[in-house]
Amino acid sequence: AQKVTQAQTEISVVEKEDVTLDCVYETRDTTYYLFWYKQPPSGELVFLIRRNSFDEQNEISGRYSWNFQKSTSSFNFTITASQVVDSAVYFCALSEGDYGQNFVFGPGTRLSVLP
Amino acid sequence: EAQVTQNPRYLITVTGKKLTVTCSQNMNHEYMSWYRQDPGLGLRQIYYSMNVEVTDKGDVPEGYKVSRKEKRNFPLILESPSPNQTSLYFCASSLLGVGETQYFGPGTRLLVL
Repeated sequence: AQKVTQAQTEISVVEKEDVTLDCVYETRDTTYYLFWYKQPPSGELVFLIRRNSFDEQNEISGRYSWNFQKSTSSFNFTITASQVVDSAVYFCALSEGDYGQNFVFGPGTRLSVLP
Repeated sequence: EAQVTQNPRYLITVTGKKLTVTCSQNMNHEYMSWYRQDPGLGLRQIYYSMNVEVTDKGDVPEGYKVSRKEKRNFPLILESPSPNQTSLYFCASSLLGVGETQYFGPGTRLLVL
């Protein structure tokens, strides 16, 4: 069973629209971490945020915000006032295991922001 | 500059010809890992290592080998590559522990003919 699900394969928005990328995870551990990474067209993987299972506070960083809800096992990512430079593939990931050795990525969501 | 390096960045080879992709990190990280990225599947873990001489299988280890003789290096070996190993490969490293952020190399794009 897939441990990290990103149901949206591709999303297209027009610049300045808000967009939310969904992430649903599955784990039996009580201690785990969730991550978001960005992969721009150049191909590298860029770390965006890390959130632990005991901290359900939402986080905002500029135009980016994250909503973590343990009750629904979701860790959604919202970009406000999207820009063309936000066009990328976004991956949600789950880290679990005693030493964090199990690091599982979702399939990714390709976001295209059109001018 | 703290970084993870991979070589080569691009590689075209033929079925059955052994190859090695190198990975090196300069952050003194205990944990290193290899992933392959395929369309629609995200990144899948091939092997990981929690310290020197300690390696373990990830989700898709078949057809790959690794070694960890030094802390900074974690090469990925394809003894007899096949076309289904055509993929984009990433090496990553982190401190050891749940929740530690993994830092990724630039990726190696492999084509097996």
